[in-house]
Amino acid sequence: AQSVTQLGSHVSVSEGALVLLRCNYSSSVPPYLFWYVQYPNQGLQLLLKYTTGATLVKGINGFEAEFKKSETSFHLTKPSAHMSDAAEYFCAVSGNQKVTFGTGTKLQVIP
Amino acid sequence: DAGVIQSPRHEVTEMGQEVTLRCKPISGHDYLFWYRQTMMRGLELLIYFNNNVPIDDSGMPEDRFSAKMPNASFSTLKIQPSEPRDSAVYFCASIGESGNTIYFGEGSWLTVV
Repeated sequence: AQSVTQLGSHVSVSEGALVLLRCNYSSSVPPYLFWYVQYPNQGLQLLLKYTTGATLVKGINGFEAEFKKSETSFHLTKPSAHMSDAAEYFCAVSGNQKVTFGTGTKLQVIP
Repeated sequence: DAGVIQSPRHEVTEMGQEVTLRCKPISGHDYLFWYRQTMMRGLELLIYFNNNVPIDDSGMPEDRFSAKMPNASFSTLKIQPSEPRDSAVYFCASIGESGNTIYFGEGSWLTVV
C-alpha cells in the first residue's frame, strides 16, 4: 500500500521568498517520488522525480526536492519565488506502476 | 514523441446524453490510466490498464461509467447517461513497462448541463 500526504492545501509566499511545499509518503516498496505542477486550465506537468541515486534532485524552473528516507519526506523547494510559480503542485509516489497522488497544494505568490 | 493525446479537449453536453472521451497513450507505454479532477474531490484514479487489460476499476464511480482499451494505442472512457455531477476534467496518462514516470494528456474538460 502507498499513500501521500501534502501538508497545507494553500501556501502563500512573497515574490522572492523561499518556497517550501511539504510532502510525506508511505510505501511498502522502494518508492519513486514525483512532483507535478498544474497551471490554471492546463494538464499536469512533471517538475522533477526521484528514482534512485542522488537524494537531492533538481527540476525545471529552479525547483528541487530532497528524498529523506528516514523522514519519509520529499519536500519541494525553490530559493526565490516568481510570480509565474503560482500554480497547484502535486506530490506523487509510484510503486509497481501504481501511482498515488497527494491532494495538491495551491501556491500563491504575492507581489 | 507526441505525448499522450486526448480528445475532445472541451465538451459541453446535455444531461442524459452519452459522452465518449478518447485517449492515445505514448507509443510503447504498457500502462494507461484514467483520472478525474474536480474542485471537491481533487485528482481521482478511475481505472487503469496494463497491456490493454483493465487491472483496477475500483475508482469508477458507478455503472454509468465504462472504459475500454481495444488496442495498445487507443482507449475510451464512456459516460452513459451523463449527469451534471460528472462535470470535471478527465485526464488520461501512461507509463512504460521499463519506465517509472507517468505522463499526462492535456485533459478533456467536460461540462454537463
